[in-house]
Amino acid sequence: DTGVSQDPRHKITKRGQNVTFRCDPISEHNRLYWYRQTLGQGPEFLTYFQNEAQLEKSRLLSDRFSAERPKGSFSTLEIQRTEQGDSAMYLCASSLSLSQPQHFGDGTRLSIL
Amino acid sequence: ELKVEQNPLFLSMQEGKNYTIYCNYSTTSDRLYWYRQDPGKSLESLFVLLSNGAVKQEGRLMASLDTKARLSTLHITAAVHDLSATYFCAVDVNGGSQGNLIFGKGTKLSVKP
Repeated sequence: DTGVSQDPRHKITKRGQNVTFRCDPISEHNRLYWYRQTLGQGPEFLTYFQNEAQLEKSRLLSDRFSAERPKGSFSTLEIQRTEQGDSAMYLCASSLSLSQPQHFGDGTRLSIL
Repeated sequence: ELKVEQNPLFLSMQEGKNYTIYCNYSTTSDRLYWYRQDPGKSLESLFVLLSNGAVKQEGRLMASLDTKARLSTLHITAAVHDLSATYFCAVDVNGGSQGNLIFGKGTKLSVKP
């Protein structure tokens, strides 16, 4: 069990640029979640995959956000035309079942200049 | 819309003292999670509570769930400095069918000698 891995750890970009983050879940976990966390707040749910199917998207997820999980393994989260308000920690989590906890990665911290 | 409220949001304790953190949520859910987050780190799972009356203990921490009152508590016994962290409770949305979690704002615990 190598844990949930996220890359990069930090991303600094200019407003208007596109960014892509990667998440590698724990290998046998078929459920994968993306959350966003800002300073002093709890994580906010963004989207959920079961295997390769994206089953749920939050209203927080504007059209500029897109997520994929090809072949039900790793996942990517892309933000197009980044805005100042996108600055946050983006967390990925995976789980084996609903009765098991979600295991979180260390996150990708996005800073928009 | 499901809301999760934690109190207190900030807690300063003396070592050796006992205290309870409260987590209230606004709609029916049978699945509640507690997480710990250290500064600059990701979330670590502490407890998964899966039914009314569930009680789990690990070291100096004990969590319980009352689904009828929509209340979970995290009790700290004889606090030590190593327990200083932010503690989040999280509740399943959609009656637990997907696993999307709504988090409270967190309780920042500081244990002083």
